[in-house]
Amino acid sequence: NAGVTQTPKFRVLKTGQSMTLLCAQDMNHEYMYWYRQDPGMGLRLIHYSVGEGTTAKGEVPDGYNVSRLKKQNFLLGLESAAPSQTSVYFCASSQLLGGPNEQFFGPGTRLTVL
Amino acid sequence: AQSVTQLDSHVSVSEGTPVLLRCNYSSSYSPSLFWYVQHPNKGLQLLLKYTSAATLVKGINGFEAEFKKSETSFHLTKPSAHMSDAAEYFCVVSSSGAGSYQLTFGKGTKLSVIP
Repeated sequence: NAGVTQTPKFRVLKTGQSMTLLCAQDMNHEYMYWYRQDPGMGLRLIHYSVGEGTTAKGEVPDGYNVSRLKKQNFLLGLESAAPSQTSVYFCASSQLLGGPNEQFFGPGTRLTVL
Repeated sequence: AQSVTQLDSHVSVSEGTPVLLRCNYSSSYSPSLFWYVQHPNKGLQLLLKYTSAATLVKGINGFEAEFKKSETSFHLTKPSAHMSDAAEYFCVVSSSGAGSYQLTFGKGTKLSVIP
């Protein structure tokens, strides 16, 4: 049981390049999330999904797109990377069954945009 | 709407002394509250959660937190700090109303433990 995994762990991009971050979970969770973490800012929600085939915008969605074609995977795309997108990206998943929204986090992807 | 304020961005304690990390929240609905810990270059790990059962919540590694509705606080404590407690701690709120799958994070408190 790997929990939540993220690929890649590190990436360096040049301004204008594109890339996709992959998140996978093996807990059969319905809900998945992408966050970015910047120093002194805590975690901010980029996009989230409440089920296969559905996505929604979070607090800071501009410049990102997402897809949830399979329940276990949640992809985050950057179409044209900008230096402001240099950050650490975390994926999380949860299963709301009338209880609290305890989210399980992946190890993160450190992205640098030059 | 919900929000979280962590009152200290950095706390420094000596090994073996008590730890207090302060958190205030606001929420339109009955909240669920969490503390997560992040060790350097790692992901986030759940320390403990409050879900409207007992107001004093015990977590892993000797941490506990007390929910005080009248003060809208959820402070994290530990009687005796260990070197391995050095990390960043996040207070998090999730409301039980519409959109309850979304979490709101505080900006974090970095805990340093001096030998």
